Amino acid sequence: DTAVSQTPKYLVTQMGNDKSIKCEQNLGHDTMYWYKQDSKKFLKIMFSYNNKELIINETVPNRFSPKSPDKAHLNLHINSLELGDSAVYFCASSTTGYYGYTFGSGTRLTVV
Amino acid sequence: SQQGEEDPQALSIQEGENATMNCSYKTSINNLQWYRQNSGRGLVHLILIRSNEREKHSGRLRVTLDTSKKSSSLLITASRAADTASYFCATMVEELIFGTGTRLQVFP
Repeated sequence: DTAVSQTPKYLVTQMGNDKSIKCEQNLGHDTMYWYKQDSKKFLKIMFSYNNKELIINETVPNRFSPKSPDKAHLNLHINSLELGDSAVYFCASSTTGYYGYTFGSGTRLTVV
Repeated sequence: SQQGEEDPQALSIQEGENATMNCSYKTSINNLQWYRQNSGRGLVHLILIRSNEREKHSGRLRVTLDTSKKSSSLLITASRAADTASYFCATMVEELIFGTGTRLQVFP
């Protein structure tokens, strides 16, 4: 299936831990993104990345770092997790010339 | 802060009725898009309207854009129970910024 896939779907972890969420797209898209959706369903862009440029939303704490081993993958690494990091994280991708984004199904992160 | 605000926040209708959702935004845009999110799922792209377009149709969806008022509307005609979801407008400038969403409930 052509898609954007994220793993894991659910992640429960303790405060202070470091965790990663993986994202892969097989659509041949050239740009990938991470969004955070809070409990009120507000979606906020965190990062956008293509093979040339990483754009970071200035409000994102530097405990969050995207890592892209290749064009098809953009993983999200989070250090020193805090309670306020609990949210659903969505990966998305798009391609130059077509502005619609394709989203993954999300990773629900719960920090306890 | 959100670029777009949607109105209403929640909408309940009967199957067969039309549903209209409105979106207002703050800055000039390249295009505006609408997405649907079913409960516990990712977002699905529905339709895109460019800043030089005023109206666009796709199946039972009709989108309008008024750049002078910085507003858009999404009309779903002849709604079905399967249309129950949250609907988000999103504006494209350098990146896609989402509105606050409208929760639509369609009762059989």
